Amino acid sequence: SQQGEEDPQALSIQEGENATMNCSYKTSINNLQWYRQNSGRGLVHLILIRSNEREKHSGRLRVTLDTSKKSSSLLITASRAADTASYFCATDANDYKLSFGAGTTVTVRA
Amino acid sequence: DAGVIQSPRHEVTEMGQEVTLRCKPISGHDYLFWYRQTMMRGLELLIYFNNNVPIDDSGMPEDRFSAKMPNASFSTLKIQPSEPRDSAVYFCASTDNPTDTQYFGPGTRLTVL
Repeated sequence: SQQGEEDPQALSIQEGENATMNCSYKTSINNLQWYRQNSGRGLVHLILIRSNEREKHSGRLRVTLDTSKKSSSLLITASRAADTASYFCATDANDYKLSFGAGTTVTVRA
Repeated sequence: DAGVIQSPRHEVTEMGQEVTLRCKPISGHDYLFWYRQTMMRGLELLIYFNNNVPIDDSGMPEDRFSAKMPNASFSTLKIQPSEPRDSAVYFCASTDNPTDTQYFGPGTRLTVL
C-alpha cells in the first residue's frame, strides 16, 4: 500500500517559474526521500531528509519536513524544461522498505 | 560504475509463457529490491534481498512470481505462467544502506498479450 500521497497529481508551469509539490504520509518515519522519474526511465534519487531535520537544500531543490503534520514539500526553483518529469516521495518506516506515493507529474513549458 | 543493469529492456510475450527478468546491482551493494510499476497501483515493492538472502517477499503477488539471487552480482525475477495483468514496468534497485538512497535500474517493460 502507498504510504505517501503527493499533491497535486499534475502541475504545469512556465520555464523560470517555481514548482511546489507536497507529500503527506500516515505513520512515523525515519526519513523521507524524493525521487524523479523521466518518461520511460528509472527513478533517480534527488534528496533525503531525516526525521530530525526540518529543511534541506540541494542546488535548485528545497525540501521541508513537518513531522507533526506528517507532510513534506519539494520546491524546484527557476524551473527548466529538463525538470519535466514525475516526482515521487518515498518514506522509510523502520523496515528498510521504501513506500512510494503516486507521484506528481510536472510539465515545464518553454 | 555502470549503475544497476536490467535486461531485457522490453519483453513482449503471450499469456502462459515463462518470463525471466534479470538484474545486476551496483558492485558492493548488498541490498537488492524488485519493484513493479503500473498506472493503477503505482510503484510497489515485490521483494528484497540482503547478502543474497530474501528478507521480505510479502509484496510478491502470487506463487507465479519467484525471485532468486544466486550471487552478489545477479538476481532474477521469474513469472510462470505469465498473465496479461502482469504487464507493467519492473524495476530493480540496489543500495549499500537500506535507510538511504536506492539506485534504480532503467526497468523492464513487460507486455503480456
